[in-house]
Amino acid sequence: QVQLQQWGAGLLKPSETLSLTCAVYSGSFSGYYWSWIRQPPGNGLEWIGEIDHSGSANYNSSLTSRVTISVDTSKNHLSLNLNSVTAADTAIYFCARTLWGSYRPLDSWGQGTLVTVSS
Amino acid sequence: DIQMTQSPSSLSASVGDRVTITCRASQYINNCLNWYQQKPGIAPKLLIYAASSLQGGVPSRFSGSGSGTDFTLTISSLQPEDFATYYCQQTYSVPRSFGPGTKVDI
Repeated sequence: QVQLQQWGAGLLKPSETLSLTCAVYSGSFSGYYWSWIRQPPGNGLEWIGEIDHSGSANYNSSLTSRVTISVDTSKNHLSLNLNSVTAADTAIYFCARTLWGSYRPLDSWGQGTLVTVSS
Repeated sequence: DIQMTQSPSSLSASVGDRVTITCRASQYINNCLNWYQQKPGIAPKLLIYAASSLQGGVPSRFSGSGSGTDFTLTISSLQPEDFATYYCQQTYSVPRSFGPGTKVDI
């Protein structure tokens, strides 16, 4: 059964860059999309973007100018970079495996990483 | 961008109750609609994909229906472990937006 384990810095100052990595274990990396989703504390889910194993990505238009999602297929890793962060970027960030096709369900999730932006 | 709404935003129910949650898209999304369950402090769990297909391992008391712009998630007989927040997500277009959630509590 696939497992997603994520890590990254949990406390950032405004204007810094958020960097998170998600490792995929016990499962194929190719043949899927891989997504990032975030959830401000106490609030709902926000879709950040998705990428396939070849590096073709789609992003939320509200974040396009600041976000980059990438893959390292040699390590089965997925990465998220979000630059120029503000307090509004404080959230739990999740990576998730996304099934191919029209429905793109997020069927396996990482444990989540709380990122706090504060001066 | 497609906006997703859910109703109600919260509801109180008892074990054994039949519960229905509604999700509406701001424009046509065919059946590109998924449902997730989230419990506090835990990542969401996929329940239903393609509006009505039950994800493997999910109890059959969960069902989904709808197409176009209006969708429902039904729990036929609420169990103690079902008290959680439920989110719909459209995958018809980018960004693949979520609804605001429906909290089901006792």
